[in-house]
Amino acid sequence: AQSVAQPEDQVNVAEGNPLTVKCTYSVSGNPYLFWYVQYPNRGLQFLLKYITGDNLVKGSYGFEAEFNKSQTSFHLKKPSALVSDSALYFCAVRDTDKLIFGTGTRLQVFP
Amino acid sequence: NAGVTQTPKFQVLKTGQSMTLQCAQDMNHNSMYWYRQDPGMGLRLIYYSASEGTTDKGEVPNGYNVSRLNKREFSLRLESAAPSQTSVYFCASTEDRGGNQPQHFGDGTRLSIL
Repeated sequence: AQSVAQPEDQVNVAEGNPLTVKCTYSVSGNPYLFWYVQYPNRGLQFLLKYITGDNLVKGSYGFEAEFNKSQTSFHLKKPSALVSDSALYFCAVRDTDKLIFGTGTRLQVFP
Repeated sequence: NAGVTQTPKFQVLKTGQSMTLQCAQDMNHNSMYWYRQDPGMGLRLIYYSASEGTTDKGEVPNGYNVSRLNKREFSLRLESAAPSQTSVYFCASTEDRGGNQPQHFGDGTRLSIL
């Protein structure tokens, strides 16, 4: 069965510093991977996806993610964090015609 | 541009009561999904409808039923609510049933069962 793991419940970073939110996956076949963000009292919003092609995927709000097949990882990154990036981030993997989500990582960016 | 609309936004029920959560999308999407979100457990799929006229169980279907009323609407019913069903429920839709396109989410229904 397809699965994703987000090993960190919370990530703290100072504004202006680079940030990384980690995700590892386990799939049979080619992985189709997604990152979503959730702000308080809102639904999830799509950030970016990896289907095929370049290992570095660029998405919304200056976020990018690096696909690493040998390490089975798909970490979310941003060169310079903003306080407004503070939110809950979910990694997800496609399983046939649905998505399997990780447990989420809370990102806290301090001024 | 409404996207995915969920009603109600909040609801408090007593154990044993029934209710239906409504979801409608205006993007002409084929596939629709119901999730529940609980602290520390991420989003878990309850039921989904890959296309109009079909429904399938997800990871946690027990205690729920669904109806794909038409292409726009996908409702979730709790026949006899239990405290364990206290959660935030999200509806989502996507253009294709293959899962390559992003899912679009509503803003959730916060449900408390006393």
